[in-house]
Amino acid sequence: AQSVSQHNHHVILSEAASLELGCNYSYGGTVNLFWYVQYPGQHLQLLLKYFSGDPLVKGIKGFEAEFIKSKFSFNLRKPSVQWSDTAEYFCAVIQTDSWGKLQFGAGTQVVVTP
Amino acid sequence: SAVISQKPSRDICQRGTSLTIQCQVDSQVTMMFWYRQQPGQSLTLIATANQGSEATYESGFVIDKFPISRPNLTFSTLTVSNMSPEDSSIYLCSVDASGSSGNEQFFGPGTRLTVL
Repeated sequence: AQSVSQHNHHVILSEAASLELGCNYSYGGTVNLFWYVQYPGQHLQLLLKYFSGDPLVKGIKGFEAEFIKSKFSFNLRKPSVQWSDTAEYFCAVIQTDSWGKLQFGAGTQVVVTP
Repeated sequence: SAVISQKPSRDICQRGTSLTIQCQVDSQVTMMFWYRQQPGQSLTLIATANQGSEATYESGFVIDKFPISRPNLTFSTLTVSNMSPEDSSIYLCSVDASGSSGNEQFFGPGTRLTVL
């Protein structure tokens, strides 16, 4: 079955530590890739997206992600996290011929301690 | 971008009743989507609601349980019918403001439903 997998359900780290969240998908065709973030009590909002071109994409708040087509991966990174990065992070994928059917990963709860 | 509001923001309902959730967008959009986020889980697409046509439901979701209306390009409703405690979830609407497939979706704040 087609799916989106996030490797970690829960991550705890200290401020200034580096963060990397894994995401793999199983679709064989052309996809658009997204990372969404949900801060406590807030809407889901887009961190970054990849449609085509440079596989290293930069998003808001210092986040970046790298698309590796051969590995079906789209991992999220931030070199130095802050307490305000505490949130739930969702990887999501749309097959370009699926008319908006966004498939989400299970989410990763990230807690950054001061 | 698009700004989306949902009503109600939360509700507590009795088993066997129905709740209609409203989704309002600040611009005209073709594609609207309804998602469910069960406790501790990710988002699951319920259906796609395009103006002027019947909603398209995903596997495991049926119109009798989740009827959807889409009367115009800025508004949609989702009804959760004959509720049971298993329907306790956050229900979110989203829109693709680009008008074409595969682009960024903007999400509403969600409706937190508890069924007793």
